[in-house]
Amino acid sequence: GENVEQHPSTLSVQEGDSAVIKCTYSDSASNYFPWYKQELGKGPQLIIDIRSNVGEKKDQRIAVTLNKTAKHFSLHITETQPEDSAVYFCAAAFENNDMRFGAGTRLTVKP
Amino acid sequence: EAGVAQSPRYKIIEKRQSVAFWCNPISGHATLYWYQQILGQGPKLLIQFQNNGVVDDSQLPKDRFSAERLKGVDSTLKIQPAKLEDSAVYLCASGGGVSPEETQYFGPGTRLLVL
Repeated sequence: GENVEQHPSTLSVQEGDSAVIKCTYSDSASNYFPWYKQELGKGPQLIIDIRSNVGEKKDQRIAVTLNKTAKHFSLHITETQPEDSAVYFCAAAFENNDMRFGAGTRLTVKP
Repeated sequence: EAGVAQSPRYKIIEKRQSVAFWCNPISGHATLYWYQQILGQGPKLLIQFQNNGVVDDSQLPKDRFSAERLKGVDSTLKIQPAKLEDSAVYLCASGGGVSPEETQYFGPGTRLLVL
């Protein structure tokens, strides 16, 4: 069935280092891939998204790359700060109008 | 711009009881989604509305879950009767368009504990 897999489940980095989270998806027809940040007690918040007509998108310290052939996409956070600590979810929009989320990555940035 | 509002924020009930959650989407947003987020997992879509019509409810356990959006604005999600495995955070999201490619804005969620 339609599925999104996300790795790693937990990630710990030192402040200033980079963090990379990777996701794979099952449906080659998917063409929209958002990333969400969820802080404790809050709902997910969109931080960046990418559509299948581009391979990379960047917004300040955050970038997302997409490889449609391999059906995987990644989130890159550079110069991490303690306030980047949260749970990050990738997602993919499937052809039947369904958005599927990965299981999440808990990122901890140590000061 | 006000965000998506949800209430209550927390609810504790016993199994076999019923419970209802309320969502008020961002003003003007035609599409409304209800998600279930079990601890340690990503959100799972339960139902999607466009205005007051259902677009997708294929993952809604219809024997116990129901949802409505009668006037195309506010929505309620009901569980009757609740089971232990229904313990989760119920998230409401809204978007300006029909397609999931439109940005979805999430509310803070209602945390349900079924004892």
